Amino acid sequence: ELKVEQNPLFLSMQEGKNYTIYCNYSTTSDRLYWYRQDPGKSLESLFVLLSNGAVKQEGRLMASLDTKARLSTLHITAAVHDLSATYFCAVDISGGSNYKLTFGKGTLLTVNP
Amino acid sequence: DGGITQSPKYLFRKEGQNVTLSCEQNLNHDAMYWYRQDPGQGLRLIYYSQIVNDFQKGDIAEGYSVSREKKESFPLTVTSAQKNPTAFYLCASSLTRLAGDTRNEQFFGPGTRLTVL
Repeated sequence: ELKVEQNPLFLSMQEGKNYTIYCNYSTTSDRLYWYRQDPGKSLESLFVLLSNGAVKQEGRLMASLDTKARLSTLHITAAVHDLSATYFCAVDISGGSNYKLTFGKGTLLTVNP
Repeated sequence: DGGITQSPKYLFRKEGQNVTLSCEQNLNHDAMYWYRQDPGQGLRLIYYSQIVNDFQKGDIAEGYSVSREKKESFPLTVTSAQKNPTAFYLCASSLTRLAGDTRNEQFFGPGTRLTVL
């Protein structure tokens, strides 16, 4: 059974600081997704990582994938309040054949002034 | 505008009652999915469908049923057999390999919050 673990589950940080969220998974996969969810809202796609060594950046967020270590990271640079949300990683172990994603429990990020 | 719509936004169910949640997409996506989210939890897959008239059980299908009669629509029925249905339900859709897509990026609707009275 695929397990997807995120840590930390709760992250409180000050504006301007840097931090990293980790996503570990238990089975070989070369597809990993990061989503953002605001309170009471739906999920918004942030990054799609499709190969070992993939790195994607958007604004203050950068995601990377190491398939050999079964690890993805979401790095936050110089955090701002608008980044406060819950961030989920999701893993596809089907090789794209049956489109099932397994989600981590999410990291609740709070950025304080 | 292309997108995924879900209705209703809020739904209240009495004990022993079946309720149906609507999900419609105009993105021309072949695959559609239903997830359940409980407070402080990730998403868990209920059912998914890759083509019309075909669907597969996800990880927590017991007490739920679906149909896929049209490409655009994938309604979810929460039956009385689902003992703890209070949750946030999210519908998603994606392209498939048959459509030449290798990303399998899933796009989500706004969700339906179901509460049992």
